[in-house]
Order: sequence, then structure tokens, then C-alpha cells
Amino acid sequence: GENVEQHPSTLSVQEGDSAVIKCTYSDSASNYFPWYKQELGKGPQLIIDIRSNVGEKKDQRIAVTLNKTAKHFSLHITETQPEDSAVYFCAASMAGNQFYFGTGTSLTVIP
Amino acid sequence: KAGVTQTPRYLIKTRGQQVTLSCSPISGHRSVSWYQQTPGQGLQFLFEYFSETQRNKGNFPGRFSGRQFSNSRSEMNVSTLELGDSALYLCASSFSSYEQYFGPGTRLTVT
Repeated sequence: GENVEQHPSTLSVQEGDSAVIKCTYSDSASNYFPWYKQELGKGPQLIIDIRSNVGEKKDQRIAVTLNKTAKHFSLHITETQPEDSAVYFCAASMAGNQFYFGTGTSLTVIP
Repeated sequence: KAGVTQTPRYLIKTRGQQVTLSCSPISGHRSVSWYQQTPGQGLQFLFEYFSETQRNKGNFPGRFSGRQFSNSRSEMNVSTLELGDSALYLCASSFSSYEQYFGPGTRLTVT
């Protein structure tokens, strides 16, 4: 089955700086790559996603890039704010099949 | 639209007992997936139901089972509870084979 690796496991940045979280996947058939944000005591929230026919997608301060050849994708958060502090998960799936999640990145934005 | 709801939010059970958790998906969503989240193992896929049929299944023992009703609501059952079953159980619903939206989870503690 698919194997998703996520790095780093923890990340601390100063408010206003950028944060980058990276994931790699093993199954070249995977074609959907979502990112989730999980705050304490809540379920994961879908924040951005990308499909394999696109190389980059942006939504305000959040962007995701995908390199199909290298089988890796990244989450970029610019101008970080304290409310961005949370655990972020990447995932990979093939349409109609199960999602495989990374192990999570705990992001702390220092005011 | 109302989000995914899960009941109960918290549950304490004794080893050997069984438990049933409930999930109501977003209106119009026919797919419901269940995940177990623990600090050590991360987010692990249990199973997915689509139009009352189990479409995908993860690597969990037969003590874990589920079902989906005609209104798309889903239940999962765990029989003969073990201490290691203590976890946050998350339900996610989807309209297509892509975006999944998570509920707040049920925190199960087995003593």
C-alpha cells in the first residue's frame, strides 16, 4: 500500500515568517493530496488540496506544491500568525480508495 | 450546511465491553470513513462506507465493524474492548472521491 512520510515532526517559527512542511509518497498511482489542520480537541480541518494534474495551488497565505516525478508535495504558509499554531497532516490517496496520512507536524508560531 | 457530527463525544468503557459510535455526515454526502487516531500511530484508516456498502477496509481486527444506513448515517462497533483501543475515533464524510470533512471525534477511554 501507500506510504506517506512527513517532515519535520515539529516546527517553530517567528510570527510573520514562513513555514514549510514536506511530504513524500510511494505510490505513483496516488492522485489526490490534501492537507489538514488539527487544533487541540478538534477534528482535522481540510485547508487545501491538490490533484495530480496541477503543480501548484494557492489560497491566500497557504500554498501547496506537487512534484509528481519526485513523489513529494509541500505545504507553504506565509506571514504566519499565532492562530496558525496547530498540528498539520498531509495525506495521499487515489480516487475511490482510502486516504494514507502522514504522521503530522506540530507547528508553533511564536508571537 | 451543518458539519459532520459524532456522538457521543466522550466515552469511558471497561475492558471486555463493547461500544457503538455514531456519525452523521454532511447532508448530501454518501461516503463515510472512520479513522482511529492515537499519539503513537497517528491517523489510521478503519473502513469506508458508500451507499450502505463497505467500499474500503483498513488493517484492523474483526472486532472493529461498521455499517451505514439508508440516510448515510454510520455507526462503528468495537467488541471485546482492549486497553489499546483507547483513542480518538474520527468520522469523515465525502460527496466525491476526494475532499473528506472530519467530525470532532469521539474520545474513547478503555479502563
